[in-house]
Amino acid sequence: GQSLEQPSEVTAVEGAIVQINCTYQTSGFYGLSWYQQHDGGAPTFLSYNALDGLEETGRFSSFLSRSDSYGYLLLQELQMKDSASYFCAVRGSGGYNKLIFGAGTRLAVHP
Amino acid sequence: DVKVTQSSRYLVKRTGEKVFLECVQDMDHENMFWYRQDPGLGLRLIYFSYDVKMKEKGDIPEGYSVSREKKERFSLILESASTNQTSMYLCASSFTSREQYFGPGTRLTVT
Repeated sequence: GQSLEQPSEVTAVEGAIVQINCTYQTSGFYGLSWYQQHDGGAPTFLSYNALDGLEETGRFSSFLSRSDSYGYLLLQELQMKDSASYFCAVRGSGGYNKLIFGAGTRLAVHP
Repeated sequence: DVKVTQSSRYLVKRTGEKVFLECVQDMDHENMFWYRQDPGLGLRLIYFSYDVKMKEKGDIPEGYSVSREKKERFSLILESASTNQTSMYLCASSFTSREQYFGPGTRLTVT
């Protein structure tokens, strides 16, 4: 089957760097996506890795190692507004563009 | 900007009622999805559609049905609502598996 594992909670202080890990099991790999969801809001797309390595988008970076079935989201210069849940996702099997999501990591940023 | 809208933000229904949740997207996306989100369980796929009148079951289709008569509109139907269907329901649309665009969600309470 397909599954993703990520920590349930992470806590950090403003200005710090935090890494949210995601390990996945999937039959056929097409890429790892990351989404952010604030309380009461909709998930919004953050980044996508199809190839090994680091992708940087401003304060956020995402890393993928296909050989280890592992990726992470790196958030730098943390701000209070980064407090949210973060989900990793992989494409589901069966030839359609559906995603399988992890259970999410709740990030709490403190002053 | 892609816009995905859902018919209601909050809905309260009684056990046994038939419930319709509607989703509309304005970006001509082929793929549309319905998820439910419960604390600690992430986003679980109920049904998805890859074209008009085409639908596929997701991971938790029991108790639900869907309809897609027009490309921009995807409806989720609870034939006979039950209390265990109390949840946040999220609709999404996409061209590919790389990025999905989510609506604001409908918080459904079944009493």
